[in-house]
Amino acid sequence: QIQLQESGPGLVKPSDTLSLTCAVSGYSISRGNWWGWIRQPPGKGLEWIGYIYFTGSTYYNPSLKSRVTVSIDTSKNQVSLTLSSVAAGDTAVYYCARKGDGSRAWYFDYWGQGALVTVSS
Amino acid sequence: SYVLTQPPSVSVAPGQTARLTCGGNNIGSQSVHWYQQKPGQAPVLVVYDDSDRPSGIPERFSGSNSGNTATLTISRVEAGDEADYYCQVWDSISGQTFVFGTGTKVTVL
Repeated sequence: QIQLQESGPGLVKPSDTLSLTCAVSGYSISRGNWWGWIRQPPGKGLEWIGYIYFTGSTYYNPSLKSRVTVSIDTSKNQVSLTLSSVAAGDTAVYYCARKGDGSRAWYFDYWGQGALVTVSS
Repeated sequence: SYVLTQPPSVSVAPGQTARLTCGGNNIGSQSVHWYQQKPGQAPVLVVYDDSDRPSGIPERFSGSNSGNTATLTISRVEAGDEADYYCQVWDSISGQTFVFGTGTKVTVL
């Protein structure tokens, strides 16, 4: 069974860099697929952040592109997210998720449980 | 960028049918996917590619998509269906981005 687990600091200071890791189990990232990050501010909707292919190719939300980096470590079977120069508006639950199997499956079929990150001094 | 619009809330009595809409410019030409999110939980895919269901999702959940509106239909609504529902498309035209709808809160009366 495929499982995703986000981890990282729950509190980040304004202007600092947010860093999260998503550990994948039950599926080898090296098999090939896209892995995404989505966030959800408290009481609000879902916002797609970016996604990465197992080869390292990436696509980012244009509204966040200048501050976001998504990376992949196939040896550790994990995906990472960094968001620089954070502000209060970046406070959210951050989810990692797997894109569906197949070249036309542009949805997320497996999600982590989410990690709440609060930006505050 | 592509915008998906959903009504903020829908109320339905148990046993009745809930119809949730997702509006977008010519959305009928795209594949629409739907997620259910219960409080404190991660989203769960309930319909993909307009009308297909992942394994384990009840047949009560169905979808359709035409013109400028996609619809998620929940038949014989149960108390456990109370949740937020989000539609989603992959916008290959504007830059290969995932787009989520604004979300609809379903309340079971």
